[in-house]
Amino acid sequence: EAGVTQSPTHLIKTRGQQVTLRCSPISGHTSVYWYQQALGLGLQFLLWYDEGEERNRGNFPPRFSGRQFPNYSSELNVNALELEDSALYLCASSFGHYTYNEQFFGPGTRLTVL
Amino acid sequence: EDKVVQSPLSLVVHEGDTVTLNCSYEVTNFRSLLWYKQEKKAPTFLFMLTSSGIEKKSGRLSSILDKKELSSILNITATQTGDSAIYLCAVDGNKLVFGAGTILRVKS
Repeated sequence: EAGVTQSPTHLIKTRGQQVTLRCSPISGHTSVYWYQQALGLGLQFLLWYDEGEERNRGNFPPRFSGRQFPNYSSELNVNALELEDSALYLCASSFGHYTYNEQFFGPGTRLTVL
Repeated sequence: EDKVVQSPLSLVVHEGDTVTLNCSYEVTNFRSLLWYKQEKKAPTFLFMLTSSGIEKKSGRLSSILDKKELSSILNITATQTGDSAIYLCAVDGNKLVFGAGTILRVKS
């Protein structure tokens, strides 16, 4: 069974640009979560989508947004990139609603903002 | 503000040692506490704890939650070099909040 996939693997952008990251959950999973892992800062919760709706949001500015498609895949968009947005962006998926139980993580997208 | 604190920040042990990693939390509306192991990139799920005092075990790893003390421990017995990783604790409250992690290095 295929795991969570993310694309692209690596990305280099400059300040002010916009970026879109993509995530495909494990087949049958309806929930998708996005996390940012910046160097030295640990994992920060960004967004949780379930059944196409945003269920919860972390403490990030509105220029971080996303959506979930009918096939449960998801996009994370970051507008007006800043240097501190450089991080590993992880996507995870799970069964079920209203729970973070047993999330399976993808390999991540490494974003570098110059 | 919800907070999860892990200790120690890093740890170096020898193969065969037993280690105990700590996680303490302050969150509103506690639902569960989760432990993950992160090697190169993607964290992998280890345990989810919801009830106080009930130990969860998987091989050489075990974990227990103490809701009164707002904390959890993760024990690893007979450590192996493959246990070298970052161990993350996360608490599901109003949002999922992660600790900064404990970096464990097991020397052969």
